[in-house]
Order: sequence, then C-alpha cells, then structure tokens
Amino acid sequence: AQSVTQLDSQVPVFEEAPVELRCNYSSSVSVYLFWYVQYPNQGLQLLLKYLSGSTLVKGINGFEAEFNKSQTSFHLRKPSVHISDTAEYFCAVGLDSWGKLQFGAGTQVVVTP
Amino acid sequence: DSGVTQTPKHLITATGQRVTLRCSPRSGDLSVYWYQQSLDQGLQFLIQYYNGEERAKGNILERFSAQQFPDLHSELNLSSLELGDSALYFCASSVDERGYNEQFFGPGTRLTVL
Repeated sequence: AQSVTQLDSQVPVFEEAPVELRCNYSSSVSVYLFWYVQYPNQGLQLLLKYLSGSTLVKGINGFEAEFNKSQTSFHLRKPSVHISDTAEYFCAVGLDSWGKLQFGAGTQVVVTP
Repeated sequence: DSGVTQTPKHLITATGQRVTLRCSPRSGDLSVYWYQQSLDQGLQFLIQYYNGEERAKGNILERFSAQQFPDLHSELNLSSLELGDSALYFCASSVDERGYNEQFFGPGTRLTVL
C-alpha cells in the first residue's frame, strides 16, 4: 500500500530565506510523486512532478524537488522565498497507473518580512 | 484561473438532506476527479470519470454518487447528509485518463451541514 507523510505541519520562514518541505512516501509499485500548492481560498495547483528520469525535478515559481529512492523521500526546496509563497503545500503519491493520488496532510508555509 | 468551474461556491444544508455539486472541466479535458478536503481527513480522492465512464474509485461513501455527462460536465450527489460531510469538495480535470498529466483543480464548493 502506498502512503505519504509530510513531516512538518507548519514551516515559518523569513522572506528571501531558503525553505525545505519534507515528504516521505511508501510505495510497493512504481513511484509517481507530486507537489501541489494551495493558495488561500483557491484550488490546488501543480508545482512539479516526478514520473521517471532525472531525480532532480524543477517546477514553477523557482521550486525544485529531489527524488531519493533509498531514503524514500521527495523533499521540496526553494532557495529564496517571497511573501507570495505563503500557502499550503501538499505532497502526493500515485496509487495506481491511472492517476489516483494520495495526498499528505499538507505543510503550511508562512513567509514573513 | 484553472479553467475548471464549480457551482455552487457555498452550500449550507441540514442533516438528512441531499445536494448536488456541479463541475465543468477545462475545455478539451476528458477526465474529471472529485476530492474531499476536511480538517480531520485531509484531502482525499473520491472518484474519477473518463469520457463518461467511471475509471477509479477512492474513499467514496455509498451515500455519495457521481456521474459524467455527454458534455463532460460532472455532478457529485451527496445524500442523507451528516455533520461529518461538511468539507470543501474539489473537482479537477485532466486531458486524458492518466491523471499523472497535470490535474487542474477548480476553486471548490464549501459544504456546510447543520
């Protein structure tokens, strides 16, 4: 069975500082991994995804994530955050070959000046 | 704006009632997904339709049902509502049946059951 754990429920960070959001997964099948962002009062938006290939994945808005098979992790990073990055971030794992996703509990990122 | 529309935005109803949530996918997208987001359960996949046919099922209660119509819009029907059904219900769409292509989420319908 597949599952995904986001290790931090809330991450406070100062503007222009780096941020890392941690995600660990367990999967008995091929691994498909995603990061989605939810801005206040909006739906989710895809930041990046790993389906295969290079383990370093670059996404929108300066975010990147690294797939680490041995550590079963898919941590999200941004070298310098903006106030506008304040949002909830969800890691997700694919449950089958069709697109059924299981989401983690989410990490709330609060960026302050 | 993702291009996915959901109506209504807010819905307040009483226990035991039945409601219908509507979703229009992005133009050209054939797959529709329904998700429930609540404080205690988080974001959970409910069901997927592809071109009118049910493709995958998640943690959807028997009191809930969905369908996708020939014009590709989808409806989620929730019946015999309970307090615990209060949540944000999202619809998402993707271009084909493999949701690992990007899923585009609508703004959600907030359901409050009193």
